[in-house]
Amino acid sequence: AQTVTQSQPEMSVQEAETVTLSCTYDTSESDYYLFWYKQPPSRQMILVIRQEAYKQQNATENRFSVNFQKAAKSFSLKISDSQLGDAAMYFCAYRSPNTNAGKSTFGDGTTLTVKP
Amino acid sequence: DTEVTQTPKHLVMGMTNKKSLKCEQHMGHRAMYWYKQKAKKPPELMFVYSYEKLSINESVPSRFSPECPNSSLLNLHLHALQPEDSALYLCASSQRRGGVNTEAFFGQGTRLTVV
Repeated sequence: AQTVTQSQPEMSVQEAETVTLSCTYDTSESDYYLFWYKQPPSRQMILVIRQEAYKQQNATENRFSVNFQKAAKSFSLKISDSQLGDAAMYFCAYRSPNTNAGKSTFGDGTTLTVKP
Repeated sequence: DTEVTQTPKHLVMGMTNKKSLKCEQHMGHRAMYWYKQKAKKPPELMFVYSYEKLSINESVPSRFSPECPNSSLLNLHLHALQPEDSALYLCASSQRRGGVNTEAFFGQGTRLTVV
């Protein structure tokens, strides 16, 4: 079974600075999907960024980018020019393509605080 | 339309009540999910429907009863719940791309309190 580990329960960053959230995972599969979700106090889980394991290029979405190291099974999220609205709980998630239902495995989350 | 809509947003129910949570999406997604989330914890999968058929039940107690009336709707019927069932209930959906269910899109959740 796959596992996802987020080793940083809490992180803080100064507004306009850069912060990196860590995620490691364990799998024996060669093809899979990785995601970062953001959950602000408003509760909705919002997809921040996705990475397909067969793609070597790191995904980017505006101020959000990932450092995907497949051999090391590492998938960190970098947030540049942090904004107050980035404050939220961030979950890393793994999805196997080999289950018909597309079940996801989530890490325990990292709470990000942004200081003005 | 890229939304998953859940109603109600908040629900307080007694342990003898029967209530239902509703989830709706119009993105043409054929997989829909119910998750339960406790504070400061990741979502826990409860049920998955694929093409309107129940494909995963994560050993959820029978006091939770899912229903998928059509490809856009997902319900969760609640009966005789316990206080420990109080949580945020999230609905999600995902599309199939190349035969694989990809990322899940989540609703805003229903905050359930059992008294």
